[in-house]
Amino acid sequence: DIQMTQSPSVVYASVGDRVTITCRASQGISKYLAWFQQNPGKVPKRLIYSSSSLHTGVPSRFSGSGSGTEFNLTISSLQPDDFATYHCLQHFTYPWTFGQGTNVEIK
Amino acid sequence: QVQLQQWGAGLLKPAETLSLTCAVYGGSLSGYYWSWIRQSPGKGLEWIGEVNGSGSTNYNPSLRSRVTMSVDTSKNQFSLKLSSVTAADTAFYYCARVWYAPFDNWGQGTLVTVSS
Repeated sequence: DIQMTQSPSVVYASVGDRVTITCRASQGISKYLAWFQQNPGKVPKRLIYSSSSLHTGVPSRFSGSGSGTEFNLTISSLQPDDFATYHCLQHFTYPWTFGQGTNVEIK
Repeated sequence: QVQLQQWGAGLLKPAETLSLTCAVYGGSLSGYYWSWIRQSPGKGLEWIGEVNGSGSTNYNPSLRSRVTMSVDTSKNQFSLKLSSVTAADTAFYYCARVWYAPFDNWGQGTLVTVSS
């Protein structure tokens, strides 16, 4: 199985901050990488697919980059709704695997 | 806008079979893959597997021996069965659609608790 490792596990930030979360794959996955946001007690929502494509309706402050084994999710200016858990997912090969999640918490 | 609505038993005893169904509204089963994902309380997400509108499946090898996924095109529904459950199978279970890339639409989630 491809292991997906997110860093950091927790990031403390304030409204307006720029936040970057990294996801590393144990082997190359081209651009088959998606990002999801999960607010507490809620269903995950897709933010980014194919490493850098913004899902419909997702604010432009979210962006994704990377290919191969290293990927980033960047929030350019953190908003109150963005305090949540973020998950990456590789769908390059079965079984699809998620990262362990990154919590974005209020500083 | 496609909507997924899921249901199933929320409390099981060890060794019983988990059974969940997900109905698709506003779209067809055909032409897509439909996945099940689970999340143990306080933990990360785990992909269980997927089924397409024709009934072809891909399962996570870690669960393959216990998982069965199927579709009912007449009802526009797809289902998950997980046999011989244990406390380790206690989790929120989600259904979701795969369209071009995974999981653009999700069901509301079902908490399944396994306890004697």
